[in-house]
Amino acid sequence: QKEVEQNSGPLSVPEGAIASLNCTYSDRGSQSFFWYRQYSGKSPELIMFIYSNGDKEDGRFTAQLNKASQYVSLLIRDSQPSDSATYLCAVVEAAGNKLTFGGGTRVLVKP
Amino acid sequence: GAVVSQHPSRVICKSGTSVKIECRSLDFQATTMFWYRQFPKQSLMLMATSNEGSKATYEQGVEKDKFLINHASLTLSTLTVTSAHPEDSSFYICSARESGPRPQHFGDGTRLSIL
Repeated sequence: QKEVEQNSGPLSVPEGAIASLNCTYSDRGSQSFFWYRQYSGKSPELIMFIYSNGDKEDGRFTAQLNKASQYVSLLIRDSQPSDSATYLCAVVEAAGNKLTFGGGTRVLVKP
Repeated sequence: GAVVSQHPSRVICKSGTSVKIECRSLDFQATTMFWYRQFPKQSLMLMATSNEGSKATYEQGVEKDKFLINHASLTLSTLTVTSAHPEDSSFYICSARESGPRPQHFGDGTRLSIL
């Protein structure tokens, strides 16, 4: 059973601070990694994707990937109340094209 | 770019009714489309994967005769919930992806309520 693990939270962050979200995965051959944001009652929205080891930055978001440790993270800088949502880590299996989702981390940004 | 349109957004109907949900990729060719179901406070559960022109591949435990999937073109997939019952009430979400190691882009979802 291929697994993607996330801390369910909630992760409470003051406005303006950095939110740090972590994700581990079990399939060592996985090649593609994604972060989605899901507001309550809405569908997931792609935030970041990363394929290579290292950091990838897009605006206030930075994704970090360490394949040796089977670990991917998301940093949200200058957190805003509108960032309050559930963040889903997703990994594509090495052998296929399906996304395996983590359970999500709920983030609460307090003004 | 990468917009996926899903209709209808909400359906309320009587038990025994069949419901059809459409998923369209508006600005890209979706070689693969996925159908998910999400119950309250739970993560997304993949129901099936469909490739254009091929039969859908269903996940274990998903009844293919109850959840009919058609992916007739590179921009359209449909999910038909046949003879829906209250236990089929859920949030159904489609996603679409171009060929290659590309992200999946999600539609807005369809909230299905069976009375």
